[in-house]
Amino acid sequence: AQRVTQPEKLLSVFKGAPVELKCNYSYSGSPELFWYVQYSRQRLQLLLRHISRESIKGFTADLNKGETSFHLKKPFAQEEDSAMYYCALINAGGTSYGKLTFGQGTILTVHP
Amino acid sequence: ETGVTQSPTHLIKTRGQQVTLRCSSQSGHNTVSWYQQALGQGPQFIFQYYREEENGRGNFPPRFSGLQFPNYSSELNVNALELDDSALYLCASSPRLGGSEKLFFGSGTQLSVL
Repeated sequence: AQRVTQPEKLLSVFKGAPVELKCNYSYSGSPELFWYVQYSRQRLQLLLRHISRESIKGFTADLNKGETSFHLKKPFAQEEDSAMYYCALINAGGTSYGKLTFGQGTILTVHP
Repeated sequence: ETGVTQSPTHLIKTRGQQVTLRCSSQSGHNTVSWYQQALGQGPQFIFQYYREEENGRGNFPPRFSGLQFPNYSSELNVNALELDDSALYLCASSPRLGGSEKLFFGSGTQLSVL
């Protein structure tokens, strides 16, 4: 069964500090991984996906198949990065085609 | 371009009752998925609809059912409500059926079962 684990429920850093939100997954096939973000009073939205290999709002994430990880990183955190972050994996086949499996989420707080 | 809209925003029901939640997908999107998000948890996949047919289902009992209409709007129905059904229900639409397609989420319906 596929699973996404975010070991940190809460993460606090100071503005300007580096931040890394951890995500580990288990999946038998070739996964597609995403980070979703939910800012206060806003809806859940896509931050980035691994196949795009892009940087959004200064965040990057590299898929490490050997370690089955997809950690989200930003070298210099900003106060506006404070939000709930979810790592998610998609099932590209089988009976639940298109199903996203989410981790439990990490609340990031960036202090001034 | 309108986003994904869900109604109602909040709902209170008692155990054993039935509930219908509604979702209007983003313009041009033909695929709708429903997720349940319990307090402190990530969203859990309930099912997905594509062109009015169920196209995948998560680990939810048959009392969770859905519909998709020709205009691609959707309903989630839950029968015989249980206390554990209390959660935020999220609808998400995407422009096509595909593994890596970006999902657009609604703001959700907060269901409380007393």
